[in-house]
Amino acid sequence: DADVTQTPRNRITKTGKRIMLECSQTKGHDRMYWYRQDPGLGLRLIYYSFDVKDINKGEISDGYSVSRQAQAKFSLSLESAIPNQTALYFCATSASGKNEQFFGPGTRLTVL
Amino acid sequence: AQKITQTQPGMFVQEKEAVTLDCTYDTSDQSYGLFWYKQPSSGEMIFLIYQGSYDEQNATEGRYSLNFQKARKSANLVISASQLGDSAMYFCAMSPNTGFQKLVFGTGTRLLVSP
Repeated sequence: DADVTQTPRNRITKTGKRIMLECSQTKGHDRMYWYRQDPGLGLRLIYYSFDVKDINKGEISDGYSVSRQAQAKFSLSLESAIPNQTALYFCATSASGKNEQFFGPGTRLTVL
Repeated sequence: AQKITQTQPGMFVQEKEAVTLDCTYDTSDQSYGLFWYKQPSSGEMIFLIYQGSYDEQNATEGRYSLNFQKARKSANLVISASQLGDSAMYFCAMSPNTGFQKLVFGTGTRLLVSP
């Protein structure tokens, strides 16, 4: 079973719709992250969370919000989706004091 | 601010040969970490190797080694004995070693390994 799961894996939606992407992990890590990947731009950090009570904005947080419902769950919301939010979204986790981030399989979001 | 530059959009190598993927970085931090990730066509991000800025020896993980030249701010990935399964996108990334990881990624290099 995958340690970091993302749902849905693919989503097509329309401009103006509210979308939630969910991430769950069984690694017991306290730190979780949301990135987006656009062609030619690599991955960029949207939000990150050290623990359930800690939420921090990343490089490109405008238009997004997050919720850390539990240590194992970190959700990303697009309150009113727009076409330039079409991208591949990755959730990642890491343990404090450790160097490696573990990525989920990604969610491909298309906003029409 | 931290910045990662990968100047090779694409690289070609024959099976069993070695290949070097370039990565240069810019940071004002004294302590930082450098990472390489592999992204195959299936899309997942796979961690390959890590180098800390204070590590004196270059990191190695199996066929992967990181050629760390601190004065030149470069962290090139060397893949020895390339395999067909090495064909993928490769991303260099860095983070401040300030107790958490806020990775900054480069734009990636697409590696194609031919038979």
